[in-house]
Amino acid sequence: DAGITQSPRHKVTETGTPVTLRCHQTENHRYMYWYRQDPGHGLRLIHYSYGVKDTDKGEVSDGYSVSRSKTEDFLLTLESATSSQTSVYFCAISELSSYGYTFGSGTRLTVV
Amino acid sequence: AQSVTQPDIHITVSEGASLELRCNYSYGATPYLFWYVQSPGQGLQLLLKYFSGDTLVQGIKGFEAEFKRSQSSFNLRKPSVHWSDAAEYFCAVGGSGNTPLVFGKGTRLSVIA
Repeated sequence: DAGITQSPRHKVTETGTPVTLRCHQTENHRYMYWYRQDPGHGLRLIHYSYGVKDTDKGEVSDGYSVSRSKTEDFLLTLESATSSQTSVYFCAISELSSYGYTFGSGTRLTVV
Repeated sequence: AQSVTQPDIHITVSEGASLELRCNYSYGATPYLFWYVQSPGQGLQLLLKYFSGDTLVQGIKGFEAEFKRSQSSFNLRKPSVHWSDAAEYFCAVGGSGNTPLVFGKGTRLSVIA
């Protein structure tokens, strides 16, 4: 969607390597979210941010860390990738979560 | 804790037929409810949302949804389905402020001629 971009769009990485996914927004929205999408599980929240340097965990945060040093960027890091982290990762932004989200196009990550 | 149940994993309808996708939610306070659509290989697009007021809300692409507090439901409807409606549909619930949305597991819609 306009105003939010994710990079890379696709990535294949080896087990045990660190991986960083980037979400960039141009909307100046306060809230940013990382979800993962897996068949049969829908979207599950990994981490979210409610401001620069302000982040909190979601329901599936183990093995993931995040950072937000600027309003426009929200980074998701897999410290040591495992096969169970093979998934499609979506970033979303919102001025207020009750307004609904705007989603990025997703990053398909494969851990081999 | 808030939760969303979409009872139907996969639904197949004929083009031109009516559609209803079910969504039941659990939330302790007044919910904010959303329906999103995801086309293959794409991100999620907001179809419609309910905050308060009229319990029948209109969205994009001819979709509507009805909030029924007594049944904790927010079902999505469309009177006549088009082949381009084939996609996955997600219901989500949230609250006021910055409470992150909780999504259902999705319903995949197939449309046949």
